[in-house]
Amino acid sequence: VQLLESGGGLVRPGGSLRLSCAASRFPFSSYAMSWVRQAPGKGLEWVSTIGGDGDTTYYANSVKGRFTISRDNSQNTLNLQMNSLRAEDTAVYYCALCSVTSPYYFDYWGQGTLVTVSS
Amino acid sequence: SYVLTQPPPVSVAPGHTAKITCGGNNIGGNSVHWYQQRPGQAPVLVVYDDTYRPSGIPERFSGSNSGNTAILTISRVEAGDEADYYCQVWDSTSDHPGVFGGGTKLTVL
Repeated sequence: VQLLESGGGLVRPGGSLRLSCAASRFPFSSYAMSWVRQAPGKGLEWVSTIGGDGDTTYYANSVKGRFTISRDNSQNTLNLQMNSLRAEDTAVYYCALCSVTSPYYFDYWGQGTLVTVSS
Repeated sequence: SYVLTQPPPVSVAPGHTAKITCGGNNIGGNSVHWYQQRPGQAPVLVVYDDTYRPSGIPERFSGSNSGNTAILTISRVEAGDEADYYCQVWDSTSDHPGVFGGGTKLTVL
């Protein structure tokens, strides 16, 4: 399993950013995928999960209405569109492969991409 | 949303046993999963579905779950076990289903 995140960077409050995760070495469309973040010096926080077919999505209350998870099964890519960003969204964002079935756990993780929201 | 509570930092001498707890209301009715995160690294799954170990995880790592407490037990602790440990559940009844505990720092003396 290989998961490679990209798209992190510095963005101003209220701005937008799109994260991507390139997946390989497993049947991507057969698995749900998730984003999990970790603010500097803090614990893990689940952000969002999308089913293998892309039809089912879940969001943390803290990002609902601002973030959108999506996937392109033809390109083996997971995305996270982040709008109306706030300082508290500053974190390392990890892409994670979910277990085969729900209730989900996170079987493999990427190395993460850092998002910094600051003026 | 469901809340998972983990204790403050735990310290243990090499060769001894560490127990890290994860508390939640009737957590025994959920499947609990555990992750190890060494400094500067991504998390790694060490126990899933309460008691199962992924391939490559030493038998020294074991889990249990009953009532209001799940426990990760690390036997014969080694220096390389020093890390943060997080419990996690997926609450299918919630609109915020993914939940992590706050994490517990394990220090090997």
